[in-house]
Amino acid sequence: EVQLVESGGGLVQPGGSLRLSCAASGFTFSSYAMSWVRQAPGKGLEWVSAISGSGGSTYYADSVKGRFTISRDNSKNTLYLQMNSLRAEDTAVYYCANPRIAAAGTDYWGQGTLVTVSS
Amino acid sequence: DIQMTQSPSSLSASVGDRVTITCRASQGISNYLAWYQQKPGKVPKLLIYAASTLQSGVPSRFSGSGSGTDFTLTISSLQPEDVATYYCQKYNSAPEVTFGGGTKVEIK
Repeated sequence: EVQLVESGGGLVQPGGSLRLSCAASGFTFSSYAMSWVRQAPGKGLEWVSAISGSGGSTYYADSVKGRFTISRDNSKNTLYLQMNSLRAEDTAVYYCANPRIAAAGTDYWGQGTLVTVSS
Repeated sequence: DIQMTQSPSSLSASVGDRVTITCRASQGISNYLAWYQQKPGKVPKLLIYAASTLQSGVPSRFSGSGSGTDFTLTISSLQPEDVATYYCQKYNSAPEVTFGGGTKVEIK
């Protein structure tokens, strides 16, 4: 069974940093691209970042480019999102996702971790 | 960048009604279009991919159509458990994806 478990969320001041983690299990982690998707309170879904299975290619939404860094440790089956220079508008639930729609018509999501940026 | 525009942003319909939600891409995306259902406090659930292919286990009252720039999600007979927000998502440039703004469906 595929499981994705996020951690690392919490309250941080504007301008601060936070690192999210996503522990994956139940599949060959290194074979799949992984993504982060966020949802601000009462708002819609926003794709944030993605990384290829090897980690050699990374992708970012314009809203986070230059501030967030996605990475992965395939030996630990873990995905990361380093978030720097945080702003109030980064407040959201952050979901880790394993998108396989194009190849397999399915995808998997974690339960999400809440990041609150506030003074 | 290709933008995804959903309409309406919300709707209210009676149980048993036929409900239609539209999603328009600012450029053609072939059939690289998925639909998600998100119930309050829950994780988004994939309903339809490749514009019209129903995910396993999804009730047959859900259907999708379209190609290119215009897409539709239809619920043939609205049920109380269908109260949710529905999102379209383009994935022609996966793993980069873009979501539509969402359509909130309520029971009248």
